[in-house]
Amino acid sequence: GEDVEQSLFLSVREGDSSVINCTYTDSSSTYLYWYKQEPGAGLQLLTYIFSNMDMKQDQRLTVLLNKKDKHLSLRIADTQTGDSAIYFCAEKLRGGYQKVTFGTGTKLQVIP
Amino acid sequence: GAGVSQSPSNKVTEKGKDVELRCDPISGHTALYWYRQSLGQGLEFLIYFQGNSAPDKSGLPSDRFSAERTGGSVSTLTIQRTQQEDSAVYLCASSSGGSGANVLTFGAGSRLTVL
Repeated sequence: GEDVEQSLFLSVREGDSSVINCTYTDSSSTYLYWYKQEPGAGLQLLTYIFSNMDMKQDQRLTVLLNKKDKHLSLRIADTQTGDSAIYFCAEKLRGGYQKVTFGTGTKLQVIP
Repeated sequence: GAGVSQSPSNKVTEKGKDVELRCDPISGHTALYWYRQSLGQGLEFLIYFQGNSAPDKSGLPSDRFSAERTGGSVSTLTIQRTQQEDSAVYLCASSSGGSGANVLTFGAGSRLTVL
């Protein structure tokens, strides 16, 4: 069955890199996602990666996927105070109409 | 519509009353999800609708919770005999469904406070 886990909290200094980690249990995941939730708002997609990829980079964001260890990470370079939010990883299993399952979310605090 | 619309944005009710929360998904999206987010907590999956298939209700916490989706579009989440522990933000999301990337678009949520 699907189970997605994340650490609850991460604190970094402005300008440093942030690395948010996620583990999942189902090896049949096809798509893995990172969503961002700013205070008082719904979630917005940041990026996603297909399971046959190891890495995806988009400006300050780098997603790394280790399929052997079922580990997904999101690296934010040059973290800014505007990056303070809750970050959720999510997975979608193989199959036409599988639902997307979310992790518990990691609250990122950026210290000026 | 351009996005996922939820109403009401805020609801304060007394313990024991029934409440209805509405979600208007993006036109043409076949998949619709309801989640609950309590203060400081992650997302708790409640229910998933996909086209005309039977909904996945595995996340509903008790029989006081129910949801329907009429005509494959608008969805209503109903909570009967509300309890204080039902206080949370209820988030709705929709997606195109299918075997592709299935990016979810979320509404802004309905904040429920049970006194």
